[in-house]
Amino acid sequence: GEDVEQSLFLSVREGDSSVINCTYTDSSSTYLYWYKQEPGAGLQLLTYIFSNMDMKQDQRLTVLLNKKDKHLSLRIADTQTGDSAIYFCAESMSNTPLVFGKGTRLSVIA
Amino acid sequence: SQTIHQWPATLVQPVGSPLSLECTVEGTSNPNLYWYRQAAGRGLQLLFYSVGIGQISSEVPQNLSASRPQDRQFILSSKKLLLSDSGFYLCAWSVTRGNGYTFGSGTRLTVV
Repeated sequence: GEDVEQSLFLSVREGDSSVINCTYTDSSSTYLYWYKQEPGAGLQLLTYIFSNMDMKQDQRLTVLLNKKDKHLSLRIADTQTGDSAIYFCAESMSNTPLVFGKGTRLSVIA
Repeated sequence: SQTIHQWPATLVQPVGSPLSLECTVEGTSNPNLYWYRQAAGRGLQLLFYSVGIGQISSEVPQNLSASRPQDRQFILSSKKLLLSDSGFYLCAWSVTRGNGYTFGSGTRLTVV
């Protein structure tokens, strides 16, 4: 069945890189997404990657996709205190609602 | 451009009272619409989604219902709230079910 797994917590020092990992189970996924949720707010789409890509870079964000292992990661370079939030990974398959992970709470220590 | 509005932002309701949360989308036609709940310390739970007026799919059995009376309006309701209905409710829309979603700002519901 469909399932998206993420570790629940990550703590990094300001200026270091953060790597948030996600595994998914459905090999027919078409797009994979990363969302950010700040306290008390809705989810904001950060970036996404199409399933036929291995990597996508967008400023401080790098998404890596290993289709063989069904593993997705989000790397945030030079992590800032404003990056503290919950990060959700989600997979899409055609014609079904997105499946979200439980979210990784990133804490940035000054 | 497309925008999504969700209200109210916070709500405190007594057990047994009714509930109505509203979500509207502007700038698009025939969106797919979704209601999610996020309980404290937990992930997102898909409650309902709709692909068109009057078409509602329910993902989990519960004390809630949804309606879509107009193309860009999605309403989450309950006749009698339970303590377990407390949580953060999020509305979202997308072009198709498999596309990325745009979320509203959420409603924090506390049932007391």
